[in-house]
Amino acid sequence: DAGVTQSPTHLIKTRGQQVTLRCSPKSGHDTVSWYQQALGQGPQFIFQYYEEEERQRGNFPDRFSGHQFPNYSSELNVNALLLGDSALYLCASSLWGGAEAFFGQGTRLTVV
Amino acid sequence: KNEVEQSPQNLTAQEGEFITINCSYSVGISALHWLQQHPGGGIVSLFMLSSGKKKHGRLIATINIQEKHSSLHITASHPRDSAVYICAVRSVEETSGSRLTFGEGTQLTVNP
Repeated sequence: DAGVTQSPTHLIKTRGQQVTLRCSPKSGHDTVSWYQQALGQGPQFIFQYYEEEERQRGNFPDRFSGHQFPNYSSELNVNALLLGDSALYLCASSLWGGAEAFFGQGTRLTVV
Repeated sequence: KNEVEQSPQNLTAQEGEFITINCSYSVGISALHWLQQHPGGGIVSLFMLSSGKKKHGRLIATINIQEKHSSLHITASHPRDSAVYICAVRSVEETSGSRLTFGEGTQLTVNP
């Protein structure tokens, strides 16, 4: 049983570009949450998707958007990249309403 | 003040020592997670607690709901325990979603 998988593992982009990160949840899970972890800090909640809709959102600008597909996989899109968007982006999957979460290995985004 | 505070931020120990990492939180919670993060980023869930105590191998996690405090103990520490340990909570207000709020992590280094 595959756990949570994220792609790509590493990515380098230039300021102003757009990026798409992908996440496949653990088998049987229907909810995907995205987190941003800056170097030396704890992860910060970006948003959460369930039934193909954004259900909750953290304090992130509209440049951060997402999508969930019928197979529960999810994408995180970031437009107009800034140097400050450089971080590890983590995906967590769970059951809607469940307390247990499983994390992917993350995507390391570097904006130059 | 962060909703989740961890101490210490950094901890260096000698192999074999007993280690304690502390987590205090300021909100009512339905669950508390202890997570391990190795260099490279991937997060592994160690424990999920809502009360009492859990043990897995050399790791023990305790929680005191009244005092809003949890501890992670590592007995007979080993260099392979070197990692960042992160505390995360699910607020009791999260009746449907599974959003987590994270502490900033404790960097543990165990020297041989």
